[in-house]
Amino acid sequence: DIVMTQSPDSLAVSLGERATINCKSSLSVLNGSNNKNNLAWYQQKPGQPPKLLITWSSTRESGVPDRFSGSGSGTDFTLTINSLQAEDVAVYYCQQYYSSPHTFGQGTKLEIK
Amino acid sequence: EVQLVQSGAEVKKPGESLKISCKASGYSFTNYWIGWVRQMPGKGLEWMGIIYPGDFDTRYSPSFQGQVTISADKSINTAYLQWSSLKASDTAMYYCARLLTMVRGTYFYYMDVWGRGTTVTVSS
Repeated sequence: DIVMTQSPDSLAVSLGERATINCKSSLSVLNGSNNKNNLAWYQQKPGQPPKLLITWSSTRESGVPDRFSGSGSGTDFTLTINSLQAEDVAVYYCQQYYSSPHTFGQGTKLEIK
Repeated sequence: EVQLVQSGAEVKKPGESLKISCKASGYSFTNYWIGWVRQMPGKGLEWMGIIYPGDFDTRYSPSFQGQVTISADKSINTAYLQWSSLKASDTAMYYCARLLTMVRGTYFYYMDVWGRGTTVTVSS
């Protein structure tokens, strides 16, 4: 199985500031057939199911605010949240869908400082 | 609107069997893989396995192979997750989710639509 490791496990950021979450995969998730990275980011707020934010490492889902952005390639990826809002408090997960099982990172808990 | 509606919370005793469901609507059920994700109390997400209702092809995570059974009934657009003998360690929230699917099921990707989850509590 591909192991996904996120850092940090938790972070606290002031409102209006930037939050950065990292995700590292144990194997490259770059899809050679389409030159895209098979990497997604999800947001899970308390008491809710996960919500898909970003696919292919950097493509925002429809309706996701543009303060959320994804970057990276191969084995190293980043989720950046600019101008943090109170409603962004959540746990964020990366997931590789390059090979089955589609493993998740352990999650990063984002709080307001 | 694409929706996945899961069955209600369950409270069971160790050793009992259980089957929970996930009813899909708003899309062609047989053209998308659908999967199950476990979230133990206070923990992260674990990809359990998936099924393609078009031909019932099923894939399991090695961590869950032999521990659960994933099935589907395409006549009623419903996927299932079942246990033959529950353990206390099966206590968790279980989510179903649809996977982006291409080329008639040959390729499956991220989980784009999620159910609200089914809480399973196993306690003597």
